[in-house]
Amino acid sequence: KQEVTQIPAALSVPEGENLVLNCSFTDSAIYNLQWFRQDPGKGLTSLLLIQSSQREQTSGRLNASLDKSSGRSTLYIAASQPGDSATYLCAVRSSDAAGNKLTFGGGTRVLVKP
Amino acid sequence: AAGVIQSPRHLIKEKRETATLKCYPIPRHDTVYWYQQGPGQDPQFLISFYEKMQSDKGSIPDRFSAQQFSDYHSELNMSSLELGDSALYFCASSSARGDSGANVLTFGAGSRLTVL
Repeated sequence: KQEVTQIPAALSVPEGENLVLNCSFTDSAIYNLQWFRQDPGKGLTSLLLIQSSQREQTSGRLNASLDKSSGRSTLYIAASQPGDSATYLCAVRSSDAAGNKLTFGGGTRVLVKP
Repeated sequence: AAGVIQSPRHLIKEKRETATLKCYPIPRHDTVYWYQQGPGQDPQFLISFYEKMQSDKGSIPDRFSAQQFSDYHSELNMSSLELGDSALYFCASSSARGDSGANVLTFGAGSRLTVL
């Protein structure tokens, strides 16, 4: 059974610092890994999707890497801004899972202080 | 671009009542998923449907049922509601056609259920 862990659970940084969020998964047989952002009480916004054959994806200030063999992904957010404050969730789609369901990590709650 | 539409956005019910949540997937998406996110928890997979048939089942209580209709929209029915059912319920949709490795789940904004 796939298990996804995110460390740290919470992170507080001053504005302008780079953020590093970690995600690990137990079963390396995955189709893809997706990073989401969730604001309090709100829905899930997809940030980046990394296919199992890819090593990284970039979008603006966001960069996500994937090391499938070690079961790890890292989300980097450069030059953080107060608007980046949210919970960041990673989710893994396992290749042996029927129906394409995702397994989520517990999230990292980020606070960027002005 | 059209997104996944969920209704209602907010719902308040009493214990032992029944609630129905609706999900309208992105056009031409054939697969729908339901997730439950309790307070401070990560989303937990409940159930999914592909081409109107149940394709996978997660931690969905027996009091809950769901189906996908001919227009691909889905409804999650919850009966004998309990306080612990208070959560944010997400629907997501995807297309099984094409490269399955590129299959991306797109989530709706969620329906918040409060059971009093």
